Amino acid sequence: DAGVTQSPTHLIKTRGQQVTLRCSPKSGHDTVSWYQQALGQGPQFIFQYYEEEERQRGNFPDRFSGHQFPNYSSELNVNALLLGDSALYLCASSYDRATDTQYFGPGTRLTVL
Amino acid sequence: GENVEQHPSTLSVQEGDSAVIKCTYSDSASNYFPWYKQELGKRPQLIIDIRSNVGEKKDQRIAVTLNKTAKHFSLHITETQPEDSAVYFCAASIGTSGTYKYIFGTGTRLKVLA
Repeated sequence: DAGVTQSPTHLIKTRGQQVTLRCSPKSGHDTVSWYQQALGQGPQFIFQYYEEEERQRGNFPDRFSGHQFPNYSSELNVNALLLGDSALYLCASSYDRATDTQYFGPGTRLTVL
Repeated sequence: GENVEQHPSTLSVQEGDSAVIKCTYSDSASNYFPWYKQELGKRPQLIIDIRSNVGEKKDQRIAVTLNKTAKHFSLHITETQPEDSAVYFCAASIGTSGTYKYIFGTGTRLKVLA
């Protein structure tokens, strides 16, 4: 039973560029949530995908967008990168229940220069 | 607004002592409260969780208590060991199925001194 996987592990970009991060959920899970974790901080909710639609969003600008595919995998896209976007990006998968556990992937460390 | 406060931000204990981390949430509709342990450079790992229909849950050396009236929940680690050293995050689930999300606390860095 595969856990949550993410790619790439690390990424270095320059300001103004665009980046795409990928996530495959735990087997059987249908819901993917994305989080940004700055150094020394707790994860901050970006958005959540279910049935290929974004249905919940945190306080992040439109530069952050995403997609969910029919196989439940998901992508996070960030446009016009800023230095402040440097962080660990975590995806978490779960079943579609508010009381269900979210399992995290290993994260993608994004550095913006 | 939606908020989870976590205290303390750092905690040092002697090996074998107990550690307690406390969180307070703002949304009275929250009904699920997980705790995650994150070691340096690794993903958050669920260590224990509690749902709003119970007041306490225990798993070996780890326990969580929930006071819904006060909107408080706490993590208790007994007989601490050096490998317990990590950052611990509490979270509260806000919303209902179809529109829920987790709000995380700011984390507690626990250091167990040998």
